[in-house]
Formats: sequence, C-alpha cells, structure tokens
Amino acid sequence: KAGVTQTPRYLIKTRGQQVTLSCSPISGHRSVSWYQQTPGQGLQFLFEYFSETQRNKGNFPGRFSGRQFSNSRSEMNVSTLELGDSALYLCASSLGATNTGELFFGEGSRLTVL
Amino acid sequence: GQQLNQSPQSMFIQEGEDVSMNCTSSSIFNTWLWYKQEPGEGPVLLIALYKAGELTSNGRLTAQFGITRKDSFLNISASIPSDVGIYFCAGPGDSGGGADGLTFGKGTHLIIQP
Repeated sequence: KAGVTQTPRYLIKTRGQQVTLSCSPISGHRSVSWYQQTPGQGLQFLFEYFSETQRNKGNFPGRFSGRQFSNSRSEMNVSTLELGDSALYLCASSLGATNTGELFFGEGSRLTVL
Repeated sequence: GQQLNQSPQSMFIQEGEDVSMNCTSSSIFNTWLWYKQEPGEGPVLLIALYKAGELTSNGRLTAQFGITRKDSFLNISASIPSDVGIYFCAGPGDSGGGADGLTFGKGTHLIIQP
C-alpha cells in the first residue's frame, strides 16, 4: 500500500514569491491535514480537509491556503513568501476525522525562502 | 491554545539502557499519542492512548495515559541504535483559534552513544 506522497521534496524560493505544494494521501483516506515544522516552533497545525471541504484551520495568516480535490489529493499554497516561511511542510492523511490522532505523514516538502 | 511540555529535550544514552520521557499539559486531553520522527522522514505513530490510566505496549515501547489526563509517559526498554530519532507527544484539541488539529510537543531528541 503506497504511503503519503508529497511533491516537491525540496524547493527554494525568494521573498514575495508564491509556492504550491502537493500531497497524495494513502488510497482510501479521505482526510488530509497539513503541518508546518520549524526548529523554533515545532510542528504546528495548518489546516485539514475532508471531502473537499476545509474542516479545521490553525492559527496562520491568510497567505496560507489549501484545497482538496475529488480524488482526495490536496494542495497548499503560500503567497507572498516571507523568510519565516522556511520550514518543512508535512502532509498527513487519515481515514476519517483527524481527532483520532492516527495520522500517516508524508516525508514533507522542505521550503527555503531566500 | 493548548501547549504540551515534553521533557527531557534531549537524551544521550548508551545502547542497552532504558529510556523514559514524559509530556505534560495545562489542560485535559482525551487522547494521547506518541510519534517518532527520523531524519528526512515524517513522524510515524508509535502508540495511541484513549483512556485515562491506560498502559499500552508496542514491542519495547510502553506508554501510559496519566490519571489526571494532563500527562503521558513513554518508556523504551533496552535501547538499540535504530531507536535514535525525535519522539513527539501529541493530542487532538484546540491548536489555537478554535482549530482541532493535533497539538504536538517540542520533542525529545534521543541520541545513542556507541
């Protein structure tokens, strides 16, 4: 059974640019959530999608957005990049509600903003 | 939002030693989860606890859900080199702003000295 796939694995952007990250969940999983991981703040919840609807959102500015497609694949977008957006962005999938805590994470997309 | 305090931040141990780490919260959690992250990978779920007082094992790993529902403990017996990594506690709930994603502790870095 294929795991969670994230693309790209690494990318470098400059301030002011925008970036789109992609996540393919485990087959059959309908919930996709996104987390930002930095050395200073650790793992922080960005948002969760279920059946193409954003179900929950973390405490991040509106520059961070996402969406989910009918095949459960998800994308997240960060506009007007800032240096502080440099982080590992992790996608996780689960069968249903993420509040059960049983998430399956991808390897992440490492974003560097120069 | 809720915060999880993990200790210790890092551990330097000899192969074969037992390891203990814990996680505390200022608020009640109804679920406690322990994840492990290795370099270049996303976190992997080790143990999930759903009931106060619950003690659950997964091989050499044992975790307990504290009676007060504000803490949890993870023990690793007879450590081996592949135990190296960052161990995170997590719980579902308010991540700030009313979100319901997982809240993660800052992690315990486990380093095994030869």
